[in-house]
Amino acid sequence: ETGVTQSPTHLIKTRGQQVTLRCSSQSGHNTVSWYQQALGQGPQFIFQYYREEENGRGNFPPRFSGLQFPNYSSELNVNALELDDSALYLCASSLATDSYEQYFGPGTRLTVT
Amino acid sequence: AQSVAQPEDQVNVAEGNPLTVKCTYSVSGNPYLFWYVQYPNRGLQFLLKYITGDNLVKGSYGFEAEFNKSQTSFHLKKPSALVSDSALYFCAVRDFPGSARQLTFGSGTQLTVLP
Repeated sequence: ETGVTQSPTHLIKTRGQQVTLRCSSQSGHNTVSWYQQALGQGPQFIFQYYREEENGRGNFPPRFSGLQFPNYSSELNVNALELDDSALYLCASSLATDSYEQYFGPGTRLTVT
Repeated sequence: AQSVAQPEDQVNVAEGNPLTVKCTYSVSGNPYLFWYVQYPNRGLQFLLKYITGDNLVKGSYGFEAEFNKSQTSFHLKKPSALVSDSALYFCAVRDFPGSARQLTFGSGTQLTVLP
């Protein structure tokens, strides 16, 4: 196990609703990244937070937003949910000075109906 | 942008036989390459990485990967497969959107080891 935890494990939402997913980093890690993994695909980078600031973003619309807290835990918020948002959402923690190795949590399975 | 390709969606191998899972990459600059494994309903587990140095990288659970610059490949290998190795394998490359350090993943290869 990596020490990265995510909650909830599973979530079912209706189109148009909003959702918040949570992630606790591995101890000592100051960087958190979020990925979306659609069924049958590889994870796609959403964004990364370092010291509570977003420092990089993938090709996701602004309705995907995030926060990082002083204890380095993080939230992913998605507004106006669409059916295509159904996926496994993974967070990964790392050290900014590390050689880019990232430690992944078990993920949150989001289903939008 | 950096990218990786995994040309095989599915690889089947008999237990005890050697296994290879293929990955090719496209990068500007020096490649930083990774392999991760995903078991059902689990997150990704790190196997190994190539940053610099020896072209043969050894990782967790007896896996190794061979970096080949001329062929832009980074194939995952294991001399003797176990049934428990059956899982989804992802190749990834370091990428730089903005100042972030993040991973760009391939589409994955489902490895099935047959008893």
